[in-house]
Order: sequence, then C-alpha cells, then structure tokens
Amino acid sequence: KNQVEQSPQSLIILEGKNCTLQCNYTVSPFSNLRWYKQDTGRGPVSLTIMTFSENTKSNGRYTATLDADTKQSSLHITASQLSDSASYICVVIGAGANNLFFGTGTRLTVIP
Amino acid sequence: DAGVIQSPRHEVTEMGQEVTLRCKPISGHDYLFWYRQTMMRGLELLIYFNNNVPIDDSGMPEDRFSAKMPNASFSTLKIQPSEPRDSAVYFCASSYPGTGFHNTDTQYFGPGTRLTVL
Repeated sequence: KNQVEQSPQSLIILEGKNCTLQCNYTVSPFSNLRWYKQDTGRGPVSLTIMTFSENTKSNGRYTATLDADTKQSSLHITASQLSDSASYICVVIGAGANNLFFGTGTRLTVIP
Repeated sequence: DAGVIQSPRHEVTEMGQEVTLRCKPISGHDYLFWYRQTMMRGLELLIYFNNNVPIDDSGMPEDRFSAKMPNASFSTLKIQPSEPRDSAVYFCASSYPGTGFHNTDTQYFGPGTRLTVL
C-alpha cells in the first residue's frame, strides 16, 4: 500500500485563481515532509520542507501546511500563473533509516 | 554553479546493451542520489552516496544495476544488460553537507536522462 496519497490526480484552474493540493500519509515515525514542483521534462525543484513541529511554511505564492496528528499536508497556490502548470510531488521522510516515500503527484494545469 | 549536470540527456539503446548514465553533483555537496521515474511507479530512490561511499542501495532493482562514485565530482549508474522495462527517466540529485534525509537539506535535481530500451 502506498504510504503517501495525493489528490487530486489532476487539476485545471484559471489563471489568477487559488488552488489547494492534498497529501495524506501513513508513514510513521515521521521526520519531514517535502513538496516538489516538477515542470515537464525537468527534474523536481524543492518548494518546502517541514518537520513534524512545523505547521506551515511559505515560499512565495506557495504555502504548505502540515497536520502531523492527522497526517495530512496541503500545498496552497495563491493567484496562480501559467508557469505554475507542473506536477507537484509530496515526499515523506520516515524517521527510520532512509525511509523515503513518494506520492504519485498532482498534475496542475493553469489556463488563461 | 551550473547545478547538477547529467549526461546524456537522452539515450536510446537495444535490449541487452550496456548503458552508462553520468552525473556531476554541485560542487561542495557531499550527498548524491540516483532516482528513477516512470509513469506507473512515479519517483523511486535507487541509491545514495555520502562522501563517495554508497550508504543505501536497497532501491536498486536488480544486480543488473550498479552505481559508483569514484570522486566527489562524478558518479555513474550502469545497467548491464539493459531491458525494455528499464525505460524511464533517471535523475541525479545532490544536497548540502548535512545528515542526508533526516534534516532539512534541500536536494537539487539534475535535468534527468531519458532512457529508452527497445
């Protein structure tokens, strides 16, 4: 069973609108959670990294939240731009030895 | 810095052939990671090194896969013999000096090598 589930699988929004991507995980014990943005044909780029003690972290128009009790994280994108069109991948690092769990990503398309 | 450099960017080969993928990490980074990405399985960690030493290779799918890091500025991932199911995009990433995954080191990914095995 995949220990990191992302939703939705894909999303289409109008330029300028906000959106929220979800990541639910069952990884335990937990070390940190990362959100990556991956443009088509490129490697992932780190957006945020949060440890269990952090509830929110922002990177420009990207804000990630973490609820370690419910094992849920979200990535909120404000005032979307066409350049936000990409896949967004949630990665959970377990506190055990080298436990790395990837979500399958959410494909976001921003249209004019 | 030019970032993580990978070569080749695209590789097409026939089943049974040997394939070698190359990576140059960002200067000063002491962790290097090899990942594989497919539509079906998403991103998977294959192996990672710290100070040129392999730390965890549990993600390497089979003995056909091997990775080396002869020095701090170069690593290779070799597949011998290659099979069609190895077709994927292979990423190399590196990170700052630190403790690898369990702190908040940012990993910097290269552009990837798209491998197609016919």
